Amino acid sequence: EPEVTQTPSHQVTQMGQEVILRCVPISNHLYFYWYRQILGQKVEFLVSFYNNEISEKSEIFDDQFSVERPDGSNFTLKIRSTKLEDSAMYFCASSILLAGVGDTQYFGPGTRLTVL
Amino acid sequence: DQQVKQNSPSLSVQEGRISILNCDYTNSMFDYFLWYKKYPAEGPTFLISISSIKDKNEDGRFTVFLNKSAKHLSLHIVPSQPGDSAVYFCAASVRDGTASKLTFGTGTRLQVTL
Repeated sequence: EPEVTQTPSHQVTQMGQEVILRCVPISNHLYFYWYRQILGQKVEFLVSFYNNEISEKSEIFDDQFSVERPDGSNFTLKIRSTKLEDSAMYFCASSILLAGVGDTQYFGPGTRLTVL
Repeated sequence: DQQVKQNSPSLSVQEGRISILNCDYTNSMFDYFLWYKKYPAEGPTFLISISSIKDKNEDGRFTVFLNKSAKHLSLHIVPSQPGDSAVYFCAASVRDGTASKLTFGTGTRLQVTL
């Protein structure tokens, strides 16, 4: 069964450093997302991406964040200058929007980002 | 932002019995609802969904009920199995023909005991 994959599974970085989190969405999916979950809190939407541009972003997704689809398979989330409060699980998701059915998003296993 | 609420942080059910997980929402624009199951250190796994034009959807042991007037949905698992022990998240979205963000509840931890 096709699945979303993410690398690395765990990333430790120093405050102020740049990190890039990588995702390979399901191959025939067209819509891509990043979510995060701070320990003990709910899963929060960060950004959605379609046709090589951002569709929607949340308040969390400020100028320190960017997304890119550098090739036909990868989808990346970059945090330019990490802060302590960026420590969280980051989940990538993808979907294929079926008219009249809905937008079921399939999630990857997550990357645990720890900012020291 | 409490647009999707799961008021029970935990639930314990005996194996073989029915598990009922509840979810309430406040945004009347939501028209697509999903349940995800999550194990520790893993991503959410899609279980079942329902659109606002239906009031019930079944898939094997899982049934989701939607009460639009009460802005309430529930997930029934019957019979419950030990492998069902996980955190269950309710999520909702507004379908507008584009990529729609999911708004998640805080989750309910289900423990199925022997």
